[in-house]
Amino acid sequence: DAGVIQSPRHEVTEMGQEVTLRCKPISGHDYLFWYRQTMMRGLELLIYFNNNVPIDDSGMPEDRFSAKMPNASFSTLKIQPSEPRDSAVYFCASREGGSYNSPLHFGNGTRLTVT
Amino acid sequence: GDSVTQMEGPVTLSEEAFLTINCTYTATGYPSLFWYVQYPGEGLQLLLKATKADDKGSNKGFEATYRKETTSFHLEKGSVQVSDSAVYFCALRSPGGNFNKFYFGSGTKLNVKP
Repeated sequence: DAGVIQSPRHEVTEMGQEVTLRCKPISGHDYLFWYRQTMMRGLELLIYFNNNVPIDDSGMPEDRFSAKMPNASFSTLKIQPSEPRDSAVYFCASREGGSYNSPLHFGNGTRLTVT
Repeated sequence: GDSVTQMEGPVTLSEEAFLTINCTYTATGYPSLFWYVQYPGEGLQLLLKATKADDKGSNKGFEATYRKETTSFHLEKGSVQVSDSAVYFCALRSPGGNFNKFYFGSGTKLNVKP
C-alpha cells in the first residue's frame, strides 16, 4: 500500500498566483480530508468528501479556496488568488468507511510558501 | 463543543527516561481517542487508539488508557529512545452524528537526548 500521496511536497509562489495541491487517497478509502497546519492554529479541517461528494466545507477559510474530487483516486485543493497568510503545510488524509473506528491516514503534506 | 487539550512542549528527556504526555478531552457521549505521531517532514501517523472507556491502546512500547472518569488519555512509555523524538498529537473522533469530525490537540514536541 503506497499510502496517501500528495504533490508537490513544496510550493513557493508569489502573492496573487493560483496554487493547486494534489492528493491521491489510499485505494478503497471512502473519505478524503484536507487539513491545514500552522504554528498558530494547529491542525484545521478544511473540507472532507465521502464517495467523491463534498460533505462539510465549513472549514474552508474563504472563497479563494476550492476543492474538488473528480474521482475516487484524485482530489485537488486550489487557492486563487494566493496570499502570504495562506502559507502553511496542507495535509490530505483518507479513511475507510466500512469501520466506524477506522483512523485517518495522512499524506506527507505540501509545504506552501506565498511571498 | 468537542475539544482536546494536551500539555505544551517541548518535552526534553534523556534516553531511557519515562515519558508521560498528558491529554484531556471534552466531548458529549463516548468519543474514540487517538494518539498520532509526526516525524520531521512527514504526515501524522497513527500510534494507537482506544474506542471505549477503560480500553488501553498500545504500540511500539507506548500506551494510553481511556479514562472516562477523568476524561483523559495520557500517553506513556517506560523507556524512550532517541528515535522517539517527534511531535505527538492527541485526537478525538466525535461520537455524534458527524463521526468524521476529528479534533486534534496542539501537539507536544518530544526531544530525546542520547
